[in-house]
Amino acid sequence: EDQVTQSPEALRLQEGESSSLNCSYTVSGLRGLFWYRQDPGKGPEFLFTLYSAGEEKEKERLKATLTKKESFLHITAPKPEDSATYLCAVHSNAVGSKLTFGTGTRLQVTL
Amino acid sequence: DVKVTQSSRYLVKRTGEKVFLECVQDMDHENMFWYRQDPGLGLRLIYFSYDVKMKEKGDIPEGYSVSREKKERFSLILESASTNQTSMYLCASRQGVGYGYTFGSGTRLTVV
Repeated sequence: EDQVTQSPEALRLQEGESSSLNCSYTVSGLRGLFWYRQDPGKGPEFLFTLYSAGEEKEKERLKATLTKKESFLHITAPKPEDSATYLCAVHSNAVGSKLTFGTGTRLQVTL
Repeated sequence: DVKVTQSSRYLVKRTGEKVFLECVQDMDHENMFWYRQDPGLGLRLIYFSYDVKMKEKGDIPEGYSVSREKKERFSLILESASTNQTSMYLCASRQGVGYGYTFGSGTRLTVV
């Protein structure tokens, strides 16, 4: 059974204080790893897809990296508008596979 | 941009009522999904559909049913709403296996 564990559950940063969110996964053959951002009361919004170990993707202050066991979402010099819950999900190679989601990291960035 | 539209942002229903949550996507996606999201429990899959008129149970189907008569529309039905079905309901679609999901904006359902 595919499993995704995200840490920490919650993170509070000051504006400009860089940090990383962790997503550890167990999957029977990784087809893709996905990062989403979710604002309160809204649906998750797609950020990145990573397909193989060593791959990196960037978008503004966010950079996602992937190893064979985990993914990191690095946030460089965050701003208050980066406050959100960040969800990680994996897609395995199994036939008919669906995404398995972690429970998310709730990020708060303060002035 | 793919758009997934959920018909209501907020709903308040009484216990025992039959509730319909509608979801429409505009990009000809094959697969559609219904999740509920609760604090501390994350996203839990209720039902999904890989094609028109096809449906499969997810992890927590009890008390729910679905309908997919047209490719673009996937409806979630609460046959007899109960207070433990108070939750945020999220619809998602994807082009096919291997692709990521596009989510709707969610429906916050309160059953009183």
